[in-house]
Amino acid sequence: KAGVTQTPRYLIKTRGQQVTLSCSPISGHRSVSWYQQTPGQGLQFLFEYFSETQRNKGNFPGRFSGRQFSNSRSEMNVSTLELGDSALYLCASSLEPVTSATLLNEQFFGPGTRLTVL
Amino acid sequence: AQKVTQAQTEISVVEKEDVTLDCVYETRDTTYYLFWYKQPPSGELVFLIRRNSFDEQNEISGRYSWNFQKSTSSFNFTITASQVVDSAVYFCALSETYNTDKLIFGTGTRLQVFP
Repeated sequence: KAGVTQTPRYLIKTRGQQVTLSCSPISGHRSVSWYQQTPGQGLQFLFEYFSETQRNKGNFPGRFSGRQFSNSRSEMNVSTLELGDSALYLCASSLEPVTSATLLNEQFFGPGTRLTVL
Repeated sequence: AQKVTQAQTEISVVEKEDVTLDCVYETRDTTYYLFWYKQPPSGELVFLIRRNSFDEQNEISGRYSWNFQKSTSSFNFTITASQVVDSAVYFCALSETYNTDKLIFGTGTRLQVFP
């Protein structure tokens, strides 16, 4: 069974440009979450999607957006890139978000997309 | 607010030593989940364990063991007889409950195991 895949793996952009990152969840998984990892801020939650709906959003500016398609694949977009957006962007998928106090689906993480903004 | 603190930024040990990684969490929820993830140099986060707030039993898996103590809000991770392959960054995380996959991560502890 294939794991979570993220494309591209590496990306170099310049300030002011925009970028789109893609995440394909494990087959059958319908929940996708995105995280940003930087040396200064660590791992921070960006957003969570389930059935094409954004269910949760972290504290990031509106330049960060995302969406999920009917096949559960997800994309995130960052517009007007800043130097501080340089980071490893990780995507995670699970069957569905936890819906009871006793059930929890494990999240599987992809290898990430390393974005460098020059 | 929910928060996870991993006070140890970096730990270095020699192979076969035991090492404990500390994790302290804050939450007002009565139901919550705690996790440990390993991040090797490749960058991919690897799930190690999940524990829910109702289960304070300690867990052992091979050379790995976890000590969950609600009284001190701690969820510590011990590697026994460490090996070079254990070198990685280890993250402790807390999940908000109910209908979300959102994880709140600690800042991580970099473990270096030298031969």
